[in-house]
Amino acid sequence: DAGVIQSPRHEVTEMGQEVTLRCKPISGHDYLFWYRQTMMRGLELLIYFNNNVPIDDSGMPEDRFSAKMPNASFSTLKIQPSEPRDSAVYFCASSSAGGLYNEQFFGPGTRLTVL
Amino acid sequence: AQSVTQPDIHITVSEGASLELRCNYSYGATPYLFWYVQSPGQGLQLLLKYFSGDTLVQGIKGFEAEFKRSQSSFNLRKPSVHWSDAAEYFCAVVRGGSQGNLIFGKGTKLSVKP
Repeated sequence: DAGVIQSPRHEVTEMGQEVTLRCKPISGHDYLFWYRQTMMRGLELLIYFNNNVPIDDSGMPEDRFSAKMPNASFSTLKIQPSEPRDSAVYFCASSSAGGLYNEQFFGPGTRLTVL
Repeated sequence: AQSVTQPDIHITVSEGASLELRCNYSYGATPYLFWYVQSPGQGLQLLLKYFSGDTLVQGIKGFEAEFKRSQSSFNLRKPSVHWSDAAEYFCAVVRGGSQGNLIFGKGTKLSVKP
């Protein structure tokens, strides 16, 4: 298996622009997670899905952030409009049955820079 | 509120020396505990996990961790460090129950001297 795939690996954009991050989980995994990693706040769970349904989005920082999972093999995290404080590395992870209690397999991350 | 504390931001050890990375959690009931490792520019990889049973847990790459309820700790150990172990290590806690809540510590960066 190719593992969790994220695109793009790097994104540089200007404040106010829309940003879309993409994730393809490991085939057969029921759970998908989005994380944000910064020096100040560390690794934060933003939202997670089970069978394409959002289960907990309490970590999403504000309404500018939205996530979708239209099918079992694809998810997006969108920031609109983007702000400099959104600069971070965003990770996608997936796991099989057990969700939070099971091993998560992480993608390589998307490094987002908002100027 | 539950939290995870990794007191050491950065640790340097010599290759071949033993290693212990500290993790303390605050949570009333028995938590689900994890250690992940992150190599530079990469995502996280699970080293080991503890849910219940034997409090000494063996993981991959020669790592082990011990759950001590009395100290609210879950420290990671390795008897002999290799240069390839240089990375950042994260302790994580999931609160049990029907609605899990996953929290990561801030991480400990490990440097290995030749």
